[in-house]
Amino acid sequence: QLQLQESGPGLVKPSETLSLTCTVSGGSISSSSFYWGWIRQPPGKGLEWIGSIYYSGITYYNPSLKSRVTISVDTSKNQFFLKLTSVTAADTAVYYCALDVGGYFNRFDPWGQGTLVTVSS
Amino acid sequence: QSALTQPASVSGSPGQSITISCTGTSSDVGAYNYVSWYQQLPGKAPKLMIYDVSNRPSGVSNRFSGSKSGDTASLTISGLQAEDEAEYYCSSFTSSSTGVFGGGTKLTVL
Repeated sequence: QLQLQESGPGLVKPSETLSLTCTVSGGSISSSSFYWGWIRQPPGKGLEWIGSIYYSGITYYNPSLKSRVTISVDTSKNQFFLKLTSVTAADTAVYYCALDVGGYFNRFDPWGQGTLVTVSS
Repeated sequence: QSALTQPASVSGSPGQSITISCTGTSSDVGAYNYVSWYQQLPGKAPKLMIYDVSNRPSGVSNRFSGSKSGDTASLTISGLQAEDEAEYYCSSFTSSSTGVFGGGTKLTVL
């Protein structure tokens, strides 16, 4: 059964770069038709799609974050990554990684448990 | 891109049916049958309940159903149970090849 697990620092300083890793187990990140996504949720607020990546490296980003976001993949480690630059307090959120079935950015299943990242000095 | 529009809250009594709407535009909900619904319990990751407008993943109760008319998608929960109390989110593919979520709807079981 496919499982995803986010990891990374829980505290990032303003203006610095947020870096997270999602480790996939129970299946191959290189499976066809599988995209891999990042979604975030600020405390008490709704979900926001950040972006998705195919194992070949093709990426799709939320236009509102595109200038600051990079999503990458390491198929040898069965991991994919999120980098968000120049963070502010508005980037404080629970960050989830998820399997994006089919690559239409709407069918996320399963999800990781999420990791809270706080932006604060 | 703007978030899809959902009512902030809905409520119903056990055994009743409720419907949550999700309104988009002709560039997202109205353009594609790539609409999904998620259930989120407090402190938990979202769970996929409906995908591609009306398909249920394995293991999801058939009390949950989805539909779409024009630019508005709907999630219906029949035979409401206390355990259905949660936040519900819709999502859609867009013509810009991006994804968008709704603002979320809090379901209260009275």
